[in-house]
Amino acid sequence: QITLKESGPTLVKPTQTLTLTCTFSGFSLSTSGVGVGWIRQPPGKALEWLALIYWDDDKRYSPSLKSRLTITKDTSKNQVVLTMTNMDPVDTATYYCAHKGVVEDAFDIWGQGTMVTVSS
Amino acid sequence: SYELTQPLSVSVALGQTARITCGGNNIGSKNVHWYQQKPGQAPVLVIYRDSNRPSGIPERFSGSNSGNTATLTISRAQAGDEADYYCQVWDSSSWVFGGGTKLTVL
Repeated sequence: QITLKESGPTLVKPTQTLTLTCTFSGFSLSTSGVGVGWIRQPPGKALEWLALIYWDDDKRYSPSLKSRLTITKDTSKNQVVLTMTNMDPVDTATYYCAHKGVVEDAFDIWGQGTMVTVSS
Repeated sequence: SYELTQPLSVSVALGQTARITCGGNNIGSKNVHWYQQKPGQAPVLVIYRDSNRPSGIPERFSGSNSGNTATLTISRAQAGDEADYYCQVWDSSSWVFGGGTKLTVL
């Protein structure tokens, strides 16, 4: 059974850096084709893909946010970390991590999400 | 960048068929995935690669994709199907989501 859980601060100040951790179980990020992605959702708004890291450490970023994002993995700890710099109130959102399977480019299992508020 | 267009809302009478569209330039050449999101919950994949259902998803959910429009069809709509639905594709190494459609079951 695949599970993912996000953790990190619930409140950050403008200009600060946000660090979120996705801790997963039920799969290995060493398996060819597997990836873990981050997606966010501002209150009342649509889903927005942020970043994805593959089993081979290949990384993909949203073009509009690429300069602010870094995604890394620790395979031994079953964790994926997302950092986002220069946080702004418009970045207030629920942040999800999700599993991408071997074959499909869909996110088949999602974490519960973590709400992050950006405010001074 | 690639864009996906969904209607803001769709209504369906209980027991009838709901169709939610997702428009994109030549979307028929891409794999389209659909997610259901109920209030306060994480999204759930309900259709992958245009028309395939993950295990546990009722047969009432089906999908199609051709030309510039992909469609999620929900047959015999139930009150529990009321949710937001998002389409998604992979394009130019990016994962793209539609703006979402709120399905109301009357």
